[in-house]
Amino acid sequence: RKEVEQDPGPFNVPEGATVAFNCTYSNSASQSFFWYRQDCRKEPKLLMSVYSSGNEDGRFTAQLNRASQYISLLIRDSKLSDSATYLCVARNKLIFGAGTRLAVHP
Amino acid sequence: NAGVTQTPKFRILKIGQSMTLQCTQDMNHNYMYWYRQDPGMGLKLIYYSVGAGITDKGEVPNGYNVSRSTTEDFPLRLELAAPSQTSVYFCASSWDSRTEAFFGQGTRLTVV
Repeated sequence: RKEVEQDPGPFNVPEGATVAFNCTYSNSASQSFFWYRQDCRKEPKLLMSVYSSGNEDGRFTAQLNRASQYISLLIRDSKLSDSATYLCVARNKLIFGAGTRLAVHP
Repeated sequence: NAGVTQTPKFRILKIGQSMTLQCTQDMNHNYMYWYRQDPGMGLKLIYYSVGAGITDKGEVPNGYNVSRSTTEDFPLRLELAAPSQTSVYFCASSWDSRTEAFFGQGTRLTVV
């Protein structure tokens, strides 16, 4: 089993839609969790950390379920500029999920 | 503050040639990482280091070597380049095993 697994993409959504990504991790010793965003042919950049109590940053909400070993990312009111690949990370070594591609269309 | 700097940005190698991809960071981070990313795929961890003098294998270490003689630098060595090593290589660094990582802009390598 892979250490980090993500929803297969791509997700094609209209502007204004709400979209959710899930990610499962296998190492119960993982201590911290992140979502990264990667634009085409660019380096990944941190989108947000994921805290046990859940956290929100504008239109983005991240949640962690330690019992079920998954993390989620919710994007509300999608914008064209949200089109990218979203990568989850379960921190022990820095192992990334394969990424989920999001395409937001007009 | 430059962050993580990778050189070169692009390189074409012939089969069997060797090269070193350079990575340096100016954030005094302890942890450094090398990844490769094939087209349309995710990031695969090649090697990582938790401090100067300490390195360890990641998911796909075969065909690569690393060293970490200083905190700042973490070069990746390809000894006998093969077409299968055509990829984009990213270097990253973090303060410790729990904090966010910062990435360099990548090196696009083509082996022909």
